[in-house]
Amino acid sequence: QKEVEQDPGPLSVPEGAIVSLNCTYSNSAFQYFMWYRQYSRKGPELLMYTYSSGNKEDGRFTAQVDKSSKYISLFIRDSQPSDSATYLCAMRRTSGTYKYIFGTGTRLKVLA
Amino acid sequence: DAGVTQSPTHLIKTRGQHVTLRCSPISGHKSVSWYQQVLGQGPQFIFQYYEKEERGRGNFPDRFSARQFPNYSSELNVNALLLGDSALYLCASSRQGEDTIYFGEGSWLTVV
Repeated sequence: QKEVEQDPGPLSVPEGAIVSLNCTYSNSAFQYFMWYRQYSRKGPELLMYTYSSGNKEDGRFTAQVDKSSKYISLFIRDSQPSDSATYLCAMRRTSGTYKYIFGTGTRLKVLA
Repeated sequence: DAGVTQSPTHLIKTRGQHVTLRCSPISGHKSVSWYQQVLGQGPQFIFQYYEKEERGRGNFPDRFSARQFPNYSSELNVNALLLGDSALYLCASSRQGEDTIYFGEGSWLTVV
């Protein structure tokens, strides 16, 4: 079993829809959670960063962490064709290691 | 301000050859990490360096090595290349060893 599971998609939605992207994880020691956006053949771009549980909002993006369920989500409101990309979740423990564990990424297509 | 810069952007090598990839971190960042991303997968941690010392190593063979220079730039070296080493190699930098990491655009390595 992988430490971080993410549905690879592709996920196709119409422009303006609310998008929900999710990851589950198995290691209860994970405390830092991130979402990256990666356009084709480009490096990942940091979107959201959350420590421990709770919600965080930044513009059209909302990140949620539910540590009791070992489940994190990224919501995109009013989705645009320019949001079409692969979305990667990443997480790490508080200490003892400096490595981030990534999901496989979910491909999102927003249709105009 | 310039982001993380990597060179070369693309390269083709033959099996058995050696490759050196280079990375310059964001100004003021002292930590550099290297990740390998195979097509269709999330990035996998290879190394982290902070203040010129290795702080973490992923599950990669000894053919992979890295170093960090006094100006905080870094090199990733891979010896005796295999076809399976074909991937996008990503460099990421952060202010300190455990902060949020920011990626460069990567170096595409093809081994033939």
